[in-house]
Amino acid sequence: EAGVTQSPTHLIKTRGQQATLRCSPISGHTSVYWYQQALGLGLQFLLWYDEGEERNRGNFPPRFSGRQFPNYSSELNVNALELEDSALYLCASSFGSGQETQYFGPGTRLLVL
Amino acid sequence: GENVEQHPSTLSVQEGDSAVIKCTYSDSASNYFPWYKQELGKRPQLIIDIRSNVGEKKDQRIAVTLNKTAKHFSLHITETQPEDSAVYFCAASWNGNKLVFGAGTILRVKS
Repeated sequence: EAGVTQSPTHLIKTRGQQATLRCSPISGHTSVYWYQQALGLGLQFLLWYDEGEERNRGNFPPRFSGRQFPNYSSELNVNALELEDSALYLCASSFGSGQETQYFGPGTRLLVL
Repeated sequence: GENVEQHPSTLSVQEGDSAVIKCTYSDSASNYFPWYKQELGKRPQLIIDIRSNVGEKKDQRIAVTLNKTAKHFSLHITETQPEDSAVYFCAASWNGNKLVFGAGTILRVKS
């Protein structure tokens, strides 16, 4: 069974640009979660999508947004990039709302110059 | 707001010794407590989890205990091996909602 996949693996942008990160959940999983892991820090919750709807949002500015597609894959968009957005962005999936176990993808490492 | 505190931040043990990492959570509604292991440059891997209706769970050399009254849970690794060296994260959540993570513990197993 294929795990959670993310693309691209690395992304380099300059300040003010936009970044788009993609995630494909494990087959059969309907929930997708996004987390930010800045260097030397823990994982901070960004967004949760389930069945195409945004279910919860972490304490991040509105320039962090996303969506979930009918095939349950998801996209994270970061607008007006700032230097402090440089981090590893991790996607996780679970069987769905109320199913707790989350499995992580390999992450996208975003560098903002 | 929700918060998970994790101690210690670094832990160094001799191969074969035991390692214990402790976490405390603030949200009494939390009912699911996973532990993840993250090796350098790799994704977090779920190693064990426990739900609030269980006090203890064991899987080979790894065990987790939960004290709901004290809002405290711990990871125990016995007979540590060099390949156990990694960053370990505890987390708490409620009914499939977001995971709130501890700050992580760097475990070094010296051979």
